[in-house]
Amino acid sequence: SQQGEEDPQALSIQEGENATMNCSYKTSINNLQWYRQNSGRGLVHLILIRSNEREKHSGRLRVTLDTSKKSSSLLITASRAADTASYFCATGNTGKLIFGQGTTLQVKP
Amino acid sequence: DGGITQSPKYLFRKEGQNVTLSCEQNLNHDAMYWYRQDPGQGLRLIYYSQIVNDFQKGDIAEGYSVSREKKESFPLTVTSAQKNPTAFYLCASSPGQGEPEAFFGQGTRLTVV
Repeated sequence: SQQGEEDPQALSIQEGENATMNCSYKTSINNLQWYRQNSGRGLVHLILIRSNEREKHSGRLRVTLDTSKKSSSLLITASRAADTASYFCATGNTGKLIFGQGTTLQVKP
Repeated sequence: DGGITQSPKYLFRKEGQNVTLSCEQNLNHDAMYWYRQDPGQGLRLIYYSQIVNDFQKGDIAEGYSVSREKKESFPLTVTSAQKNPTAFYLCASSPGQGEPEAFFGQGTRLTVV
């Protein structure tokens, strides 16, 4: 069973635009993480937000968490062609780390 | 270099054969994970281990087996009972409780021929 569900499944934007992707989850969480995957590679951790935090920034990344709606969003500002990748949210409880289906982002130069 | 290493990168298996995928980490992490990824899909958890000599089934454990005899190693065996093993397999590790950030290997692409 998937804990997180990302929306949209695919997103195509022009370089310089902002990209927003959303994640919904089902059960209570201690934290939520976002990862990036380039085609055919392993995942790379981007940012973690804890359940008592509402917003977190890291460079061009902004993550929000709404525990009442069981949802999170990842905003990438001023996107670049190099941001083209798949993005996954992940939640973990009792040692399990469960990933969503991912959003595939294409940034056109 | 500290990190997590998966081998081989590509693996071909004949039907009816068991194959073992290697995963080694030198990060001194307690927790290790195996995921399966099908084309255009998310990651599905096969097995995970929070401590040496202990592991738990994930969502799709049928047809797979693991061992955790050493902290740094968590090999995955894909048995002949796994009916559709062709996929991309990812291994990850994390420090454990309270430190959930996972580090991933570069994956093994398994193809049944």
